[in-house]
Amino acid sequence: GAVVSQHPSRVICKSGTSVKIECRSLDFQATTMFWYRQFPKKSLMLMATSNEGSKATYEQGVEKDKFLINHASLTLSTLTVTSAHPEDSSFYICSASYGTASYEQYFGPGTRLTVT
Amino acid sequence: RKEVEQDPGPFNVPEGATVAFNCTYSNSASQSFFWYRQDCRKEPKLLMSVYSSGNEDGRFTAQLNRASQYISLLIRDSKLSDSATYLCVVTTSYNDMRFGAGTRLTVKP
Repeated sequence: GAVVSQHPSRVICKSGTSVKIECRSLDFQATTMFWYRQFPKKSLMLMATSNEGSKATYEQGVEKDKFLINHASLTLSTLTVTSAHPEDSSFYICSASYGTASYEQYFGPGTRLTVT
Repeated sequence: RKEVEQDPGPFNVPEGATVAFNCTYSNSASQSFFWYRQDCRKEPKLLMSVYSSGNEDGRFTAQLNRASQYISLLIRDSKLSDSATYLCVVTTSYNDMRFGAGTRLTVKP
């Protein structure tokens, strides 16, 4: 149980375009989903926390207008990287949790974004 | 000072060796502690939770010292398949999970 999927697993896009990444909890209802990014040989950095039906909470330094997060249902959250630039190239990972009932987060397999 | 600090390694050990990783955290209000394992270009996977009393899962032993704000992971009888990056994770609440930068382990034949 507790499977989280992400789509796409890999995407290459041109500078200036927008890219949408989907995160789905397949066998449970995720009241909270998290978005992380990871640069090579670096730790995961939390970008934002999203609760179903409400606005995402962004970490300091993360531009909310650039990284649009929508958590429309208990099983789906999306991250849209708008007007992507080469420096946005990174590994984006989502995770989902049951919410306050558990500290454990279940991670998706990640999306590797390359902006050319 | 980073919230969660780990020795980045890399640790290169022969099969069968015992290896220990350390982690320190800065927030004394931290409540839950975990070790995750991350393989190259993959997502992190939970290895084990860490309890104050210490806990063991097969060849893996985790210890927590709240007074020193220190967590450790011991791997005995290393296998080739243990090669990965080990992430120390500390949480202060259900939505505040902080990752260390990870310690890279390579187990060689």
